[in-house]
Amino acid sequence: EPEVTQTPSHQVTQMGQEVILRCVPISNHLYFYWYRQILGQKVEFLVSFYNNEISEKSEIFDDQFSVERPDGSNFTLKIRSTKLEDSAMYFCASTVGNSPLHFGNGTRLTVT
Amino acid sequence: QQQVKQSPQSLIVQKGGISIINCAYENTAFDYFPWYQQFPGKGPALLIAIRPDVSEKKEGRFTISFNKSAKQFSLHIMDSQPGDSATYFCAARSTGGGNKLTFGTGTQLKVEL
Repeated sequence: EPEVTQTPSHQVTQMGQEVILRCVPISNHLYFYWYRQILGQKVEFLVSFYNNEISEKSEIFDDQFSVERPDGSNFTLKIRSTKLEDSAMYFCASTVGNSPLHFGNGTRLTVT
Repeated sequence: QQQVKQSPQSLIVQKGGISIINCAYENTAFDYFPWYQQFPGKGPALLIAIRPDVSEKKEGRFTISFNKSAKQFSLHIMDSQPGDSATYFCAARSTGGGNKLTFGTGTQLKVEL
């Protein structure tokens, strides 16, 4: 079964540094998402992306965050200047349309 | 109004027993209610989902019961097995909301032998 692939599985960075989290969605999917899960808490929506532009974003997704689909396969989340509170699991998800989301296994981001 | 409240936070069930997890919502614009199962180190995986025009949906040992008037829905896991030990999240999606899901806070289920 096709999978959403995320790299790296764990990223450690210092506060103030830029990080890029990478995702390869399922190949025929058109809608892409980032969610995050702070340790022990619920999964929260960050942003949705379709047709090379952001469809919707949450209040968490401020100017420090950006997303990009640089080529036909990758979907990235960039955090420009990381803060301690950005430490979380970041999940990429994709879907064909209004169908169930397929999540990747996540990237654990640790900001020190 | 966008919240989905989930209980209990944790649950221990004996092998073969019934696991019941409850969720409640306020936003009447929610029109799709999936349940996700998450194992440690993995992303959430869709388990079963329901729309508000039906009161119950069953897939194997997993059943969703939906009470539209009470704005509540629950997951029942029959004949619970140790392999069902995971974190379960209910979620909701609003009409026209794409796939922006609002998740509950999760229930850690442990099924003991």
